[in-house]
Amino acid sequence: GAVVSQHPSWVICKSGTSVKIECRSLDFQATTMFWYRQFPKQSLMLMATSNEGSKATYEQGVEKDKFLINHASLTLSTLTVTSAHPEDSSFYICSAYPGQGPGHEQFFGPGTRLTVL
Amino acid sequence: DAKTTQPTSMDCAEGRAANLPCNHSTISGNEYVYWYRQIHSQGPQYIIHGLKNNETNEMASLIITEDRKSSTLILPHATLRDTAVYYCIVRVGGGNAGNMLTFGGGTRLMVKP
Repeated sequence: GAVVSQHPSWVICKSGTSVKIECRSLDFQATTMFWYRQFPKQSLMLMATSNEGSKATYEQGVEKDKFLINHASLTLSTLTVTSAHPEDSSFYICSAYPGQGPGHEQFFGPGTRLTVL
Repeated sequence: DAKTTQPTSMDCAEGRAANLPCNHSTISGNEYVYWYRQIHSQGPQYIIHGLKNNETNEMASLIITEDRKSSTLILPHATLRDTAVYYCIVRVGGGNAGNMLTFGGGTRLMVKP
């Protein structure tokens, strides 16, 4: 199956700093990538949809100026958490959609655990 | 997308079949049933999907009732590594499959020795 990677797998930062998370589709081109957030013992919540070469579409309640998304190529999307605060501590997961395939399924990255001190 | 209802948790003995139910009584004619699972602290993994007919792959079988209002995911011989949260998701597939996935609470399956 298709492989999606995320970097870093975990990060600890101080409050007020910015953190960038990368999502890469390793063996396919992704027309669309999605960013999810998951708090402990909760389900995944979609944050935004990212299409290559265009602005991301954010879900209601997600601050676009705080969570900057860049989808510069068909294999890379980045999520930057700006001025991070402890409440931003969460498990961030990306998924990529290749635009074709028998299941038309999305492929998920392994996730990035962010801890803001 | 249609809402789904799943039991919060289930237990299964190792080596036995795990049957995970999902209700989706408001499913539309063009909506598929997708199953994903999430092992602790990992990203979700695609398992199987179907529209009307029962489906089988190397991981599992999907049984969809004739009225399509419910389905069952079957893991034929559960192993300890199948312990995970299983999500049943209903959404439009095919050419519109780029749409986002909406995750509900899922079923936490515990496979016990």
